[in-house]
Amino acid sequence: SQQGEEDPQALSIQEGENATMNCSYKTSINNLQWYRQNSGRGLVHLILIRSNEREKHSGRLRVTLDTSKKSSSLLITASRAADTASYFCATDRGDYKLSFGAGTTVTVRA
Amino acid sequence: NAGVTQTPKFRVLKTGQSMTLLCAQDMNHEYMYWYRQDPGMGLRLIHYSVGEGTTAKGEVPDGYNVSRLKKQNFLLGLESAAPSQTSVYFCASSYRSLAGPSGANVLTFGAGSRLTVL
Repeated sequence: SQQGEEDPQALSIQEGENATMNCSYKTSINNLQWYRQNSGRGLVHLILIRSNEREKHSGRLRVTLDTSKKSSSLLITASRAADTASYFCATDRGDYKLSFGAGTTVTVRA
Repeated sequence: NAGVTQTPKFRVLKTGQSMTLLCAQDMNHEYMYWYRQDPGMGLRLIHYSVGEGTTAKGEVPDGYNVSRLKKQNFLLGLESAAPSQTSVYFCASSYRSLAGPSGANVLTFGAGSRLTVL
């Protein structure tokens, strides 16, 4: 079964707006990662947050992690058309494997 | 820098036929993975390898076999293809930054192989 579940399944926003998506997971983790997938392409790593971190920033990306609620959020600020993609959270439990959620599809309208 | 290369990119099979997907990485990564991606299901791990000569089952291993004879290559085989194996297959590789709980696997993915079984 999938370890992570993203919410919402799909999101449509206007260029310049912020996009927020959430990820919930079931068991304890070492870290949580977010990946982006453009249509027809492979996944690309965006950002990693460790279990002892609460917030992390990378450019226009902000990730939070609440281990007590077993949840994470990814915020993309000032969205651009190029941010149109599917976004996946992945949990690392320290056992060599990453477990991925079903993803959030983000559409940024011009 | 090629990263992770998958071949073929597209393949159409008839039920019962066999085929092999090849994954090659040039980053000297220890770990390699095969995932399948289906609509609404996200990525599900089929098999993985933590080093040359080793393989292990993932979440959905039935109907697939793998081999890692060389560190840079990870092969995924379908012995008798079924329509349920129609999917997009992704190979990924990684190394663990540190041993133990502080370590992290960051995956580098290939572009995917789209397989249709009729």
